[in-house]
Amino acid sequence: DSGVTQTPKHLITATGQRVTLRCSPRSGDLSVYWYQQSLDQGLQFLIQYYNGEERAKGNILERFSAQQFPDLHSELNLSSLELGDSALYFCASSGPYNEQFFGPGTRLTVL
Amino acid sequence: AQTVTQSQPEMSVQEAETVTLSCTYDTSESDYYLFWYKQPPSRQMILVIRQEAYKQQNATENRFSVNFQKAAKSFSLKISDSQLGDAAMYFCAYAYGTASKLTFGTGTRLQVTL
Repeated sequence: DSGVTQTPKHLITATGQRVTLRCSPRSGDLSVYWYQQSLDQGLQFLIQYYNGEERAKGNILERFSAQQFPDLHSELNLSSLELGDSALYFCASSGPYNEQFFGPGTRLTVL
Repeated sequence: AQTVTQSQPEMSVQEAETVTLSCTYDTSESDYYLFWYKQPPSRQMILVIRQEAYKQQNATENRFSVNFQKAAKSFSLKISDSQLGDAAMYFCAYAYGTASKLTFGTGTRLQVTL
């Protein structure tokens, strides 16, 4: 158990819909990262938040957005979903030695 | 841009034997970190080992050790006394500086046979 929690574990939805993925970092960690793992793109960094502020942006689509709340949990919002958005979405938080600890992931299936 | 390359899509090792997984990376930075992550069938990403670029000594964690060749930009993972539970996808990852994103390689699938 990494100490990072993600909900839900599985999400099945239809094209065009909007979903929200939730992540709670390890106690004391200020940074939250979101990654997408798909078969054709591998593991891709989406976005990072540090203590409530956006710190870095990767290959995140305009249809996707995220935020980090004062209690440090983060939400990733995916809208106008397409079949190609089906993937495993990971959240991670970083420890004192720059290592990242990953949550169990949310498996998103868009039908 | 930094890139991470894992040239072995699949590897196989017999139980109790030793196997080495290869990773090369490309960066112009001097302050960076390298990691190996394990992803078993459960899909959980598990940190195996970490190496700071400024440290010359190779990192070791129990049966796992790395061979860090900074000049060659090579970072291989050696698994000794392989166990059935080591069967997984292994990802090499790079991070520039502290509290920064990970750039992953494409992974190596390790099979452990009896």
